[in-house]
Amino acid sequence: GAGVSQSPSNKVTEKGKDVELRCDPISGHTALYWYRQSLGQGLEFLIYFQGNSAPDKSGLPSDRFSAERTGGSVSTLTIQRTQQEDSAVYLCASSRDRANTEAFFGQGTRLTVV
Amino acid sequence: GESVGLHLPTLSVQEGDNSIINCAYSNSASDYFIWYKQESGKGPQFIIDIRSNMDKRQGQRVTVLLNKTVKHLSLQIAATQPGDSAVYFCAEYTGRRALTFGSGTRLQVQP
Repeated sequence: GAGVSQSPSNKVTEKGKDVELRCDPISGHTALYWYRQSLGQGLEFLIYFQGNSAPDKSGLPSDRFSAERTGGSVSTLTIQRTQQEDSAVYLCASSRDRANTEAFFGQGTRLTVV
Repeated sequence: GESVGLHLPTLSVQEGDNSIINCAYSNSASDYFIWYKQESGKGPQFIIDIRSNMDKRQGQRVTVLLNKTVKHLSLQIAATQPGDSAVYFCAEYTGRRALTFGSGTRLQVQP
């Protein structure tokens, strides 16, 4: 597609349920990032994929969070046993490669845990 | 730890004036510094970057200044327009990991 696509755009889930958030990066982009943004706050780094290298998971807040990137393209962020503090906008971005500083962001998935 | 932060949470300017948004950083090993603009309900959008071996870079109506001595980064917007109203983030990039973002400055342009 023309840009980074995220789905769903909005997700309301009950506390304790698992959720999956999807990101379709720009075709050909080897770098993919997940961030979390709470209301009125900055972007909190979660995880970074670069090509076939092992992902940088250093930003994942707990073991309830995990992410995969299949075939070097689509990525899924999974949150298990969701908590109310997980409520935020989850943003995905991709860039052409690690040496390219321009990252293109999707519109985000707004997650609300009730 | 390493972090990127901002001096002012909100900046209000008159349309047509110049805006200056400031940022402090702590990671001396950063390769690049980048400014992003985020409009309400949208993902951040790349504005301009500057390599760590430069001290100034100009774009269209924007200039980024880097002072490595005091670890300070600024974004100057000339002739600010209502469409410039947004939250601006500075970010740093070390080349080994993803971008690290600051907390953001909200720019409000008064007509």
